[in-house]
Amino acid sequence: AQSVAQPEDQVNVAEGNPLTVKCTYSVSGNPYLFWYVQYPNRGLQFLLKYITGDNLVKGSYGFEAEFNKSQTSFHLKKPSALVSDSALYFCAVRDKDGSQGNLIFGKGTKLSVKP
Amino acid sequence: EAQVTQNPRYLITVTGKKLTVTCSQNMNHEYMSWYRQDPGLGLRQIYYSMNVEVTDKGDVPEGYKVSRKEKRNFPLILESPSPNQTSLYFCASWGSGSLGDTGELFFGEGSRLTVL
Repeated sequence: AQSVAQPEDQVNVAEGNPLTVKCTYSVSGNPYLFWYVQYPNRGLQFLLKYITGDNLVKGSYGFEAEFNKSQTSFHLKKPSALVSDSALYFCAVRDKDGSQGNLIFGKGTKLSVKP
Repeated sequence: EAQVTQNPRYLITVTGKKLTVTCSQNMNHEYMSWYRQDPGLGLRQIYYSMNVEVTDKGDVPEGYKVSRKEKRNFPLILESPSPNQTSLYFCASWGSGSLGDTGELFFGEGSRLTVL
């Protein structure tokens, strides 16, 4: 069975500092990996994805993520955090060779960026 | 504009009173799914559909029903709601559709359901 772990419930960062939101996954085959962001009282918005190719993926709003197959990780990063980045972040995974309907989300990490 | 539309956005109901949350997408996506979001539990998949008349259970299907009679619609049915179904529900769609296969899910704005 596939699963996603986001080990930190909350990450606190000062504005201007780099941020990392961690994600590890488990799938039986090759993974499709995603990051989504949720702002208060809103639905989820797509940030970036890894399907194949370059392990460093760049996405929306200056975010990037690095796929590490040996560590089964897909950590989200940003070089310089903004207060407006404060939100709930979800990592998600799907087995590339499995059912395309079965996309599993982590429990989410609340990012708080202080001025 | 590409979008997923859910209704109602907010609903308060009582135990046992059947309700339906509608979901419609305008991107001609094959795949649609329902998730519930609860504090500390993240998003958990309830049901998903791979195309018209093809559905499958997610991780937490108990107490819910779905149908996919048309490609654009994927209603979530609670035949006899109970308080433990109080939650925030999201519908999502994805697939090749009219925008090409970007791999990303498109989410509705959410439906907050309270069962008393």
